[in-house]
Amino acid sequence: EVQLVESGGGLVKPGESLGLSCAASGFTFSNAWMTWVRQAPGKGLEWVGRIKSKTDGGTTDYAAPVKGRFTISRDDSKNTLYLQMNSLKTEDTAVYYCASTNYWGQGTLVTVSS
Amino acid sequence: QTVVTQEPSLTVSPGGTVTLTCASSTGAVTSDYYPNWFQQKPGQAPRTLIYSTSNKPSWTPARFSGSLLGGKAALTLSGVQPEDEAEYYCLLYSGGAGVFGGGTKLTVL
Repeated sequence: EVQLVESGGGLVKPGESLGLSCAASGFTFSNAWMTWVRQAPGKGLEWVGRIKSKTDGGTTDYAAPVKGRFTISRDDSKNTLYLQMNSLKTEDTAVYYCASTNYWGQGTLVTVSS
Repeated sequence: QTVVTQEPSLTVSPGGTVTLTCASSTGAVTSDYYPNWFQQKPGQAPRTLIYSTSNKPSWTPARFSGSLLGGKAALTLSGVQPEDEAEYYCLLYSGGAGVFGGGTKLTVL
């Protein structure tokens, strides 16, 4: 059974940093392109970024609002995806989901507020 | 910055057929945009219905189908069931980055 479990969400102040993790199981993580998606309260889905598998280059792509502030990485030895978020803004408040090839986690809430 | 446009809301009767569309501000949507469709019900995580235009994960009911229609990506529901009432999102890829549409709230009435 495929499982994606996000963790690391919480309350932070504007300008602070936060790191999220996504633990994957039930599939060959190292072959998967992994994506982060977020959803602000009461709003639609927003694509945050993606990391390709190492065999496909391991490169990353980001949405314009987070480029330069967020970094996606992966540790294939731990079957874990990461999202490092720096210089957080109030508009980054959202539930953050990780996703891979049709599967989604349940999300973790990040609240940025003073 | 690409803008992806969906109908904000649609209403369909049980047993009916409805088509949701997904347009790109950059022009006609093709298979190179790898259109994906997702369903989200209140309080739940999204669920993938369609990937790469018309492919379905094993859990997607046969009444859902994806296609390209008139320069847009399309999601057609045939024989709509009450449980299909949900928010539907499309996702297009352009230049390596993904962009979601604003979502279509489908009401089954």
